[in-house]
Amino acid sequence: AQKVTQAQTEISVVEKEDVTLDCVYETRDTTYYLFWYKQPPSGELVFLIRRNSFDEQNEISGRYSWNFQKSTSSFNFTITASQVVDSAVYFCALSSYGGSQGNLIFGKGTKLSVKP
Amino acid sequence: NAGVTQTPKFQVLKTGQSMTLQCAQDMNHEYMSWYRQDPGMGLRLIHYSVGAGITDQGEVPNGYNVSRSTTEDFPLRLLSAAPSQTSVYFCASSIQDRETQYFGPGTRLLVL
Repeated sequence: AQKVTQAQTEISVVEKEDVTLDCVYETRDTTYYLFWYKQPPSGELVFLIRRNSFDEQNEISGRYSWNFQKSTSSFNFTITASQVVDSAVYFCALSSYGGSQGNLIFGKGTKLSVKP
Repeated sequence: NAGVTQTPKFQVLKTGQSMTLQCAQDMNHEYMSWYRQDPGMGLRLIHYSVGAGITDQGEVPNGYNVSRSTTEDFPLRLLSAAPSQTSVYFCASSIQDRETQYFGPGTRLLVL
């Protein structure tokens, strides 16, 4: 079975704080892809990152960084020096070759509120 | 490029009515899909297509129909709307399956 768990339903921080969003996944496949999407209050889904299961190198993009650990089946997302514009719902998703073609299995999302 | 476009943005239906949600992409993507988003549920796959003329069911296909006659368009048909189909519907596309999917702006549907 494939599953994505985002245990944090809501997180509230004050601007400039660092915040980490947790994502734990389950799959029996050895080849799979992990994604993060951002859904701001306006409602659209914005792609942030895609990683494949063979690349455990952490990635940094500006204030965003991702920590992929196969040993713990986790793909966590950290925002450094958070800003009000980071307020959104963030979704972690999994796509594996064992599932339906291209099917993204989404977690239920973490709502991040950044207060000024 | 307009990317992935969806119409309408918002629709109210009465139980039993039918309608088609439109989705189009101008990126020459082979793979297209429809998801529905419900509060606290994340997104769930309804139907998908790996290319023109090929469609298949996702996790929650009941009550929905799709066809893919062109690469660009992937309409979603509600055959007989039910209140349980009240949701936000997202269309997505990618170059091919397993690649990054890019989402349209969504259609908010209310079934009374």
